Amino acid sequence: DTAVSQTPKYLVTQMGNDKSIKCEQNLGHDTMYWYKQDSKKFLKIMFSYNNKELIINETVPNRFSPKSPDKAHLNLHINSLELGDSAVYFCASSRMTGVSYNSPLHFGNGTRLTVT
Amino acid sequence: ELKVEQNPLFLSMQEGKNYTIYCNYSTTSDRLYWYRQDPGKSLESLFVLLSNGAVKQEGRLMASLDTKARLSTLHITAAVHDLSATYFCAVDLNNAGNMLTFGGGTRLMVKP
Repeated sequence: DTAVSQTPKYLVTQMGNDKSIKCEQNLGHDTMYWYKQDSKKFLKIMFSYNNKELIINETVPNRFSPKSPDKAHLNLHINSLELGDSAVYFCASSRMTGVSYNSPLHFGNGTRLTVT
Repeated sequence: ELKVEQNPLFLSMQEGKNYTIYCNYSTTSDRLYWYRQDPGKSLESLFVLLSNGAVKQEGRLMASLDTKARLSTLHITAAVHDLSATYFCAVDLNNAGNMLTFGGGTRLMVKP
């Protein structure tokens, strides 16, 4: 039983193309996230959604657009891909937010995006 | 801006040895997390530290949190090869669990 699943696992595409990455969690969590891990393994949050509503949007180019059709899904659509977008993108989820929060993030297996 | 710094960034050690990874952060937070990542894999949660003085242990790993010093440590006791991985600390900026800032990771290699 995969808790947080992402597809595809690998994505190779050319500059200028538009692509999507899908994420689904079956943990019943309220909050979902997208993180980007660059070639130096540095992880940075991109977006956070709580019950389908955007609550965090870090300084991410407008070419990146998250979409959450329901609280179990958070997809990432990327327009006009650039070389610098090459990275591993991780989806994650957590049980709840707020001061009583004490649950760690559960990460998907990542999507390795290569832009040529 | 919150900064989270880990050191060392790379650690090569022999089996059976002890070592400590340090995680320093630049602003107030009472919540700190440790994760493990194997090459090409996802991140696995190791520890959740929720208050000053918190100490948690699992097998050969022990994590502690000193919120006054803004420091967390991950201590490895009698390392074994299976502990080879990259270890990340992450600090919760607003204590609400939805804004984690990660350190740069410590790549640990344990040699037989």
